[in-house]
Amino acid sequence: GAVVSQHPSWVICKSGTSVKIECRSLDFQATTMFWYRQFPKQSLMLMATSNEGSKATYEQGVEKDKFLINHASLTLSTLTVTSAHPEDSSFYICSATPPSGRYNEQFFGPGTRLTVL
Amino acid sequence: GENVEQHPSTLSVQEGDSAVIKCTYSDSASNYFPWYKQELGKGPQLIIDIRSNVGEKKDQRIAVTLNKTAKHFSLHITETQPEDSAVYFCAARRTGNQFYFGTGTSLTVIP
Repeated sequence: GAVVSQHPSWVICKSGTSVKIECRSLDFQATTMFWYRQFPKQSLMLMATSNEGSKATYEQGVEKDKFLINHASLTLSTLTVTSAHPEDSSFYICSATPPSGRYNEQFFGPGTRLTVL
Repeated sequence: GENVEQHPSTLSVQEGDSAVIKCTYSDSASNYFPWYKQELGKGPQLIIDIRSNVGEKKDQRIAVTLNKTAKHFSLHITETQPEDSAVYFCAARRTGNQFYFGTGTSLTVIP
């Protein structure tokens, strides 16, 4: 149990376009989902916390207008990178927490590799 | 906020030897400490975790120890195998869901 999927697994886009990444909890309902960004050989950087039915909470330094997060249901959160630029190229990972998960574990998706040309 | 430090950043061991990765944390209110394994191009996978009311936990070849007084916890992998090669992250969490991750340790098991 506790499987989190992401789609797409990789995407290449041109500078200036927008890209949407989906995060789904497949076998549990997630009231809270998290979005992370990871640069090569670095740790996970929390971008925002997404709560179902409410606005996302962004970490300091993360542009909310650049990285749009929507958590429309208990099993789906989306991250849209708007007007993407090469510096947005990164590995984006989501995670989800079940409502009554053991010790509030986080289950991670497989990640999405974004390359902006 | 919480500050999690992880050492070493890289670790190479011979197959069959043990590997130890250490993390320290700053917030004494942190009460949950998971360890994740991340293979290249994949998301992190939880391998073991420990709560603050427990000093040690073991799962086959993997064990985690926690010293609340010193605010450090360690991952121990015994009888290492090539498939253990990956990047390992520790994390600390206090009540409220936000996880604070260490900087990662790249483990290489040499056959």
